[in-house]
Amino acid sequence: DQQVKQNSPSLSVQEGRISILNCDYTNSMFDYFLWYKKYPAEGPTFLISISSIKDKNEDGRFTVFLNKSAKHLSLHIVPSQPGDSAVYFCAASISSGSARQLTFGSGTQLTVLP
Amino acid sequence: NAGVTQTPKFRVLKTGQSMTLLCAQDMNHEYMYWYRQDPGMGLRLIHYSVGEGTTAKGEVPDGYNVSRLKKQNFLLGLESAAPSQTSVYFCASNDRGPNEKLFFGSGTQLSVL
Repeated sequence: DQQVKQNSPSLSVQEGRISILNCDYTNSMFDYFLWYKKYPAEGPTFLISISSIKDKNEDGRFTVFLNKSAKHLSLHIVPSQPGDSAVYFCAASISSGSARQLTFGSGTQLTVLP
Repeated sequence: NAGVTQTPKFRVLKTGQSMTLLCAQDMNHEYMYWYRQDPGMGLRLIHYSVGEGTTAKGEVPDGYNVSRLKKQNFLLGLESAAPSQTSVYFCASNDRGPNEKLFFGSGTQLSVL
């Protein structure tokens, strides 16, 4: 059973508009959430993160929102650019053990149309 | 800056063959990880290491072994490859502390026939 779910395999958005990527989780013990971006033939790269003590974190065009009661987070990209076209993974972790293990969602392919 | 380097980038194996994937990082990171990515499954953790000489099992460790003899290197071995191990393998590393930001290599595409 996937603990982190990205229910939309793909999303297409017009350049300049807002992109909203969604992620749901089931484990209430998760206390840190991250988004990674992946281009073809490359490894994922870190994009933005949020701790469970916050409900919003912003970095330039990227904002992540966390709704703990709904166990839902979203990534907003405003304005969207063609270079944002990539697969976006959300990930979650629990503060336990000697290493925080990340649980990844299955990814959403974002296509930004010029 | 090399970051995390994986070799090889592509490999085709026959069922039952063995191979080793090499991961090297030049950031002096304590933690290193091996993930596999399959369609519709996201990235799943195979094994990880919290320091030189240590290894631990992740979510899908069966059929794989790992070694961390040097801090900068993390090896993933397949002793007897199976078609179910056809996947893209990613190595990653990060440092101690609350920052979980992982640095990934560019991946190894492995096909087992």
